[in-house]
Amino acid sequence: GQNIDQPTEMTATEGAIVQINCTYQTSGFNGLFWYQQHAGEAPTFLSYNVLDGLEEKGRFSSFLSRSKGYSYLLLKELQMKDSASYLCAVTGGYQKVTFGIGTKLQVIP
Amino acid sequence: DAGVIQSPRHEVTEMGQEVTLRCKPISGHNSLFWYRQTMMRGLELLIYFNNNVPIDDSGMPEDRFSAKMPNASFSTLKIQPSEPRDSAVYFCASSQGLAGVLAKNIQYFGAGTRLSVL
Repeated sequence: GQNIDQPTEMTATEGAIVQINCTYQTSGFNGLFWYQQHAGEAPTFLSYNVLDGLEEKGRFSSFLSRSKGYSYLLLKELQMKDSASYLCAVTGGYQKVTFGIGTKLQVIP
Repeated sequence: DAGVIQSPRHEVTEMGQEVTLRCKPISGHNSLFWYRQTMMRGLELLIYFNNNVPIDDSGMPEDRFSAKMPNASFSTLKIQPSEPRDSAVYFCASSQGLAGVLAKNIQYFGAGTRLSVL
């Protein structure tokens, strides 16, 4: 099976940098997704890591260490609109994706 | 493309009634997923289809839940009879369903159906 751990809530200041961690234990692993979900809306894709290392996309970066079962999402130059839940998800099979409970990020002025 | 389309957006029903949720995936996507999201359990996969065939329904809670995909552009999730504990947001998502270990099968989600069973 899959087990995914991430903090439930985080608070950060506008303009700052925040790192959201995710650890996982899986019976099989292909890759790791990060999704963003604003309150009352659907999850939207942010990043996908299949190889070790850092993937950078604008203000957002995602890191993966397969050997450690660890990933993080780094958000730079935080904006108020970044207040949302961030879902870590792993795929171990052909299509099946298991989502973590999500980290609710609150950005304060 | 219009994205994944779900209907209805909101559904309020009484315990014991049948509920049918509908989903139209993105055209050209081969895989379709049904999820349920609650505060306590997060986003849970109920069932997913590939090329209209159910591949994994291990997440379907019990016999009261059933899902069909009669063609590539339509799927339904039915709950009969509904119970208050079924109250949640139900999401449908679709992806290209690419093969290969490095395939990046991004799932695109519909807006969801918020179900309240009284």
